[in-house]
Amino acid sequence: NAGVTQTPKFQVLKTGQSMTLQCAQDMNHEYMSWYRQDPGMGLRLIHYSVGAGITDQGEVPNGYNVSRSTTEDFPLRLLSAAPSQTSVYFCASSNIAGTVNTGELFFGEGSRLTVL
Amino acid sequence: AQSVTQLDSHVSVSEGTPVLLRCNYSSSYSPSLFWYVQHPNKGLQLLLKYTSAATLVKGINGFEAEFKKSETSFHLTKPSAHMSDAAEYFCVVTPGGGSYIPTFGRGTSLIVHP
Repeated sequence: NAGVTQTPKFQVLKTGQSMTLQCAQDMNHEYMSWYRQDPGMGLRLIHYSVGAGITDQGEVPNGYNVSRSTTEDFPLRLLSAAPSQTSVYFCASSNIAGTVNTGELFFGEGSRLTVL
Repeated sequence: AQSVTQLDSHVSVSEGTPVLLRCNYSSSYSPSLFWYVQHPNKGLQLLLKYTSAATLVKGINGFEAEFKKSETSFHLTKPSAHMSDAAEYFCVVTPGGGSYIPTFGRGTSLIVHP
């Protein structure tokens, strides 16, 4: 049971570089999301998706893009990295029952990104 | 709109003593409530959840929480702390009413002294 798999686990970028954080789940979950975690700030939602072809912005979307071409994959793209994007990123997924998300969130192990 | 307030950023206990982590929420609908635990350098793991069944919810590792609608609270307790309980704990509300998006509290760091 792989659950939610994130890659890479660690990455160092220079300011202005671009990269993609990969997220894949094998539980056929409709809902997928990306969070960033910073000290004292808890988890803040970047983008989320409720199914293939459907994405929406969360609380802190600026500087990030997402796409959802399949149910399984939800990559997060940093277009031009900035030091303010130094953080730990988590991908999470869950089931949606009808129009309500009442399910448990399943998290990946996290991706630690440093932007110099 | 919904919100979650974890009333303590840090809680320090001695091994073998009770644990109380406090969480208050607001929601316009009938919410689902969760507690997650995050050990250092790990992802979050579900401890327990409330989804409108029994108000006293039992979770893993001896933790439990009681949903009190009149107080809009969902406090997490454990009778006897263990060193392995040292971690970050997050209270989360999913508001219902057609919203998909969970709201996270800022977290409570549990410190367990020998």
